[in-house]
Amino acid sequence: EAQVTQNPRYLITVTGKKLTVTCSQNMNHEYMSWYRQDPGLGLRQIYYSMNVEVTDKGDVPEGYKVSRKEKRNFPLILESPSPNQTSLYFCASSLQGLTEAFFGQGTRLTVV
Amino acid sequence: QKEVEQDPGPLSVPEGAIVSLNCTYSNSAFQYFMWYRQYSRKGPELLMYTYSSGNKEDGRFTAQVDKSSKYISLFIRDSQPSDSATYLCAMSGPSTGRRALTFGSGTRLQVQP
Repeated sequence: EAQVTQNPRYLITVTGKKLTVTCSQNMNHEYMSWYRQDPGLGLRQIYYSMNVEVTDKGDVPEGYKVSRKEKRNFPLILESPSPNQTSLYFCASSLQGLTEAFFGQGTRLTVV
Repeated sequence: QKEVEQDPGPLSVPEGAIVSLNCTYSNSAFQYFMWYRQYSRKGPELLMYTYSSGNKEDGRFTAQVDKSSKYISLFIRDSQPSDSATYLCAMSGPSTGRRALTFGSGTRLQVQP
């Protein structure tokens, strides 16, 4: 089954404690991206990757890092989380990036 | 002003009704237009994808794009309770350069049995 898998689904952490949200896709897609979803603001892109070792900033990259060492994986790293990063996060992938074809189930992050 | 505007709803309709969901946008460079459906506690799923202006039909769903008015619509015929979800419009620009979707904030639809 074609899917994008995120882990964990729910995470509560404290300010400043580094965390990683993993994302993996099994469709051999070149393009992957991360979004955050906040009430009234919709989905906003954090980072995207057009292929292995090729990443670039989206609209709201501050406070986040990503890496793309393998085609299937695209982890999101928060080096020093802050409360304003409390949000619902989605990973997405597509063959070419013109549309976001597949989204993961989401990771609800709370930073206290 | 947001680049993409979408009425948040909620929009409540009886089962069997025709539903019209709309978005307006300000960036004339947008060329790709999408509609996503998002159920509670789930990720968005792509419903319809249209390039440039025109109509596209898929079963009970019809997407319309009017680039001259910067207005897109999604029509749902014979709506069902299972259509109850949040509907997100999204759009993107030319295929060169940064590839990012600009999303509307979503319209919550409730179809009453």
